[in-house]
Amino acid sequence: ETGVTQTPRHLVMGMTNKKSLKCEQHLGHNAMYWYKQSAKKPLELMFVYSLEERVENNSVPSRFSPECPNSSHLFLHLHTLQPEDSALYLCASSPSQGIGYTFGSGTRLTVV
Amino acid sequence: LAKTTQPISMDSYEGQEVNITCSHNNIATNDYITWYQQFPSQGPRFIIQGYKTKVTNEVASLFIPADRKSSTLSLPRVSLSDTAVYYCLVGDPYNTDKLIFGTGTRLQVFP
Repeated sequence: ETGVTQTPRHLVMGMTNKKSLKCEQHLGHNAMYWYKQSAKKPLELMFVYSLEERVENNSVPSRFSPECPNSSHLFLHLHTLQPEDSALYLCASSPSQGIGYTFGSGTRLTVV
Repeated sequence: LAKTTQPISMDSYEGQEVNITCSHNNIATNDYITWYQQFPSQGPRFIIQGYKTKVTNEVASLFIPADRKSSTLSLPRVSLSDTAVYYCLVGDPYNTDKLIFGTGTRLQVFP
C-alpha cells in the first residue's frame, strides 16, 4: 500500500458504457495526476491537478473527463471509449513542491 | 525536463551487482536525478534521488560524476524480485509539476 489507492483494479467495459476510475490519497499531497500506460509504451501524462484546479491537459480526447472534488480524491470518467484506450491507468500524487511522486497500483482497463 | 537515454534492456543473475547507466547531456544546474522502479501492472516506485557524487540507501546506490552528464544506478546482489523496469528522470523536483517518463530499462534477473 503506497498511500495512493485506486479502484477498481481491473475493469472491462464496452465501447458504449460509462464508467469511472477513482483515486484516493491520504498523504496530504496537493497535486494529483492521471497517467496512461499502454503495452510496451512509456507512461503518458494525461491530466494534472494542483489544489483541485486542473493545470494541464495533454490533448487528451474528450471521452476522458477528469474530476477533482477535493485534494484527496481524483476521478477519471470514461464514456464511449475505443479498444485502443485499453491500458493501465495510473494515479499519482505529490506535494505541491518537493521530491518524489507516489503512484497507485493502477486500474487495468480493457475496452471490448 | 532534460532528455535521458538508457539501455532498453539488461540481463543479470541472482547475486550479481547490476549497474544501469543513464545519459543526460543537457542536465541543468537545478536538476536532480531520480530513479523509479516499476513492476508489471503496478505504478512506479521511487528508489533513489541525487544531485552529485554518490547517494546510497537501503535499496541502491547512485553514482554521479562531476560533470553530471550521466548517472549510474547500482543494485547490489540482485534477486529475482528485482526484475522490473527502471526509469531515470532528470529535473528540478522543486519546480516541476509533472514527471515525464522515458522507455526505461527492463532488467531481467535469472536464477
